Parts: sequence; C-alpha cells; structure tokens
Amino acid sequence: NAGVTQTPKFRILKIGQSMTLQCTQDMNHNYMYWYRQDPGMGLKLIYYSVGAGITDKGEVPNGYNVSRSTTEDFPLRLELAAPSQTSVYFCASSGSRSNTGELFFGEGSRLTVL
Amino acid sequence: QQQVKQSPQSLIVQKGGISIINCAYENTAFDYFPWYQQFPGKGPALLIAIRPDVSEKKEGRFTISFNKSAKQFSLHIMDSQPGDSATYFCAASIGNNNDMRFGAGTRLTVKP
Repeated sequence: NAGVTQTPKFRILKIGQSMTLQCTQDMNHNYMYWYRQDPGMGLKLIYYSVGAGITDKGEVPNGYNVSRSTTEDFPLRLELAAPSQTSVYFCASSGSRSNTGELFFGEGSRLTVL
Repeated sequence: QQQVKQSPQSLIVQKGGISIINCAYENTAFDYFPWYQQFPGKGPALLIAIRPDVSEKKEGRFTISFNKSAKQFSLHIMDSQPGDSATYFCAASIGNNNDMRFGAGTRLTVKP
C-alpha cells in the first residue's frame, strides 16, 4: 500500500523560479490537503480539496496554486519562488465520509529557495 | 495567531518515566482533538484522538486527558521508551477537519 506519495523529496530553487510539487494517493480519498511545516510553527494549511474540480484556500495560500483534475492527484504549484517559501511541504488525504478525522500524510518534500 | 498552543517545545524524559504534553485552544467550536506523532524524515501519523464528550481516552501507554471548561487537553505517555522519541503535535478541528489547526509541536527525547 503506497498511501500518499510526494515527489520530489528534496529540491533547491533560485529566487523567482517556479516548480510543482506532486502528490498522489491510492486510497480513493476525496479530501486532500497541502501543509507547510516550519520549525517551531507546527503545520499550516495552504490549500485543500474536497473532490475533483474543487479546491479552496487554507490559512497560508499566498504564493501557491493548486489544481485537482482527478481524485488521485493534487499538485501544488509555486510561482516566483521566494526565500519565505523555504519549508517542508506535506500532502495529506482523508476519507470523505470518515468521521475519525484522520489525515494520512506523505513523507514530505523539503524545498530550499536561495 | 496560534489557535492551538502547545507546550513544552521540547521534553527530555528518562526511560520508564511519564511524558506529559499540554495543549490549549481558543475556539469552543472545535470538536475533534487528535495527537499526531512524527519521526524524523517522515510525515505525521495519527496517534490518538478524542472528542469533547469524554474526559479521557486511553490506548495502551498513551492517554488523552480533556478539560472542556478549561479548553485544555494533554497527552500522557506512560512508561516512556526510547522508541517514543519523536515530535508530537496536538491539533483541533471542527467537523470534517477541512481546516485542522496544529500546535507548534513538542520534541520528545526519551533517554535510555
């Protein structure tokens, strides 16, 4: 069982460059999320999706974009990378009718912007 | 503004001891309070969770204590083991967890 798979695991970007973090899940979950994790700050929600074709902003969406064309995939796009976007990014998913609220996380993508 | 405040930031406990991590929340509409465990290089994983209709939930060596009137909840790890060394996050959400708010995390080290 792969669960939630994120690529790449590590990436170094120069200021102003763009890139896409890929996320795919094989659990047929409708809900998917992108979080960023910064030291001493916990996890902050960037964007989430409740199903294919539906996305919404979380707590810290500025500088990011998402799309959800399929149930399985939820890529996160960084446009014009800035040093403030240096972080570890986690994709997560959860079942649409689940009442447990459990989030299943990928292993993270560490991004450095220089 | 941190909606879920977690303390301490780091904790060192001897093997066999009790580890206690505390969280406080602001929003009384929160109705789901999970704890996540994260090992280095991995994503967080659900450890245990509680809803506000109970004051305590125990799963093995892990117990959540919940105080609704004080808007506080805590994680107790009994007989702490070196394998428990990880970062622990408390969290809170309303309903279907579309906007789960996490605490800042506690790095636990259990010394052998």
